[in-house]
Amino acid sequence: GAGVSQSPRYKVAKRGQDVALRCDPISGHVSLFWYQQALGQGPEFLTYFQNEAQLDKSGLPSDRFFAERPEGSVSTLKIQRTQQEDSAVYLCASSPGLNYGYTFGSGTRLTVV
Amino acid sequence: QKEVEQDPGPLSVPEGAIVSLNCTYSNSAFQYFMWYRQYSRKGPELLMYTYSSGNKEDGRFTAQVDKSSKYISLFIRDSQPSDSATYLCAMSGLRTGGSYIPTFGRGTSLIVHP
Repeated sequence: GAGVSQSPRYKVAKRGQDVALRCDPISGHVSLFWYQQALGQGPEFLTYFQNEAQLDKSGLPSDRFFAERPEGSVSTLKIQRTQQEDSAVYLCASSPGLNYGYTFGSGTRLTVV
Repeated sequence: QKEVEQDPGPLSVPEGAIVSLNCTYSNSAFQYFMWYRQYSRKGPELLMYTYSSGNKEDGRFTAQVDKSSKYISLFIRDSQPSDSATYLCAMSGLRTGGSYIPTFGRGTSLIVHP
């Protein structure tokens, strides 16, 4: 596609549920990032992939968060046993490689009730 | 103290005004500097991308980087109501492991009124 596609756009989860958020990057983009954006804040880094390799996961807030990109294209961010503090917009971005501008998707707004 | 500081605003200006948006940072390893625009309920959109110190101009937008002061700016000339959005600065430098991962400011909300 022409841009980065994220699904679902909105997700409401009951506390304790597991959720899976999907990101379809721009075709051919090597680098893929996940960010978390709380209301009124800037995006906070979660994890980074280069092709299928997860090179940095230092931003994942706990072991309940897990991300994968098995074939180097589509990526999934999974959150287990969701808690209220996980409520945020989850943004995915991709880029052709290092030190290029990053193209963001519109995000998935997760609300944990 | 955060690595990147940005005043959240809101900044309200009349149409046609020159807008100045700024960020300061503390990490001297930052080499790449970006400005993103984010409309409500949308993802950030890249506006400007610069390397190291200096100026870069693109239409009504000018980005300035002063590495000696750890200070970056975005100027918008002839501002329009359609420029009303949140403006995020972001910057990156080489990290352990060889990656460059942008660190964002919290964003400045800009309102341009007719």
